[in-house]
Amino acid sequence: KNEVEQSPQNLTAQEGEFITINCSYSVGISALHWLQQHPGGGIVSLFMLSSGKKKHGRLIATINIQEKHSSLHITASHPRDSAVYICAVIKAAGNKLTFGGGTRVLVKP
Amino acid sequence: GAVVSQHPSWVICKSGTSVKIECRSLDFQATTMFWYRQFPKQSLMLMATSNEGSKATYEQGVEKDKFLINHASLTLSTLTVTSAHPEDSSFYICSASLAGTTDTQYFGPGTRLTVL
Repeated sequence: KNEVEQSPQNLTAQEGEFITINCSYSVGISALHWLQQHPGGGIVSLFMLSSGKKKHGRLIATINIQEKHSSLHITASHPRDSAVYICAVIKAAGNKLTFGGGTRVLVKP
Repeated sequence: GAVVSQHPSWVICKSGTSVKIECRSLDFQATTMFWYRQFPKQSLMLMATSNEGSKATYEQGVEKDKFLINHASLTLSTLTVTSAHPEDSSFYICSASLAGTTDTQYFGPGTRLTVL
């Protein structure tokens, strides 16, 4: 079993819908990243979380350290949000990013 | 701010040749840079961690003599794929952080390598 699991693997939404992507991890962590990878391959770091909740525009990320779970929400989704969203954690005992398998999001107009 | 560039963005080379990929932090000094490889429809895999002025730390299974990493300054790290073979064809991505891996990592746009 992977240390970082994401669900769903694929998600299709209509423009305007609210989207939630989940990330569960099985190790102690010092921080969790949400990354966005567009079809061209470039990666953008959306959030780094160690507790609570962060908001940037239409994106909201939450983390529950006790439950070892994080969610990424996209409000009022738009076709330009179509991308692969990747959850990655920094283990408390280590110093490297461990990646989830990614969630491929397609937002249809 | 916090822009990381990579050059080239794509490269095609013949089997047996060496290819150098540059990773630059444009507006900040990166004490640590990371090199990742990503095969189609797979997640990123860390190849090595590079600290300025010291030898890179390679992940298990990554040949250090094949993937040469140099981090000569706080704004530049290079990855050289030596004697490239078709199985080295992949998407190579670097990232940079200010203060080690607990800080936010800023990712480069990636370099797509195709070895014929």
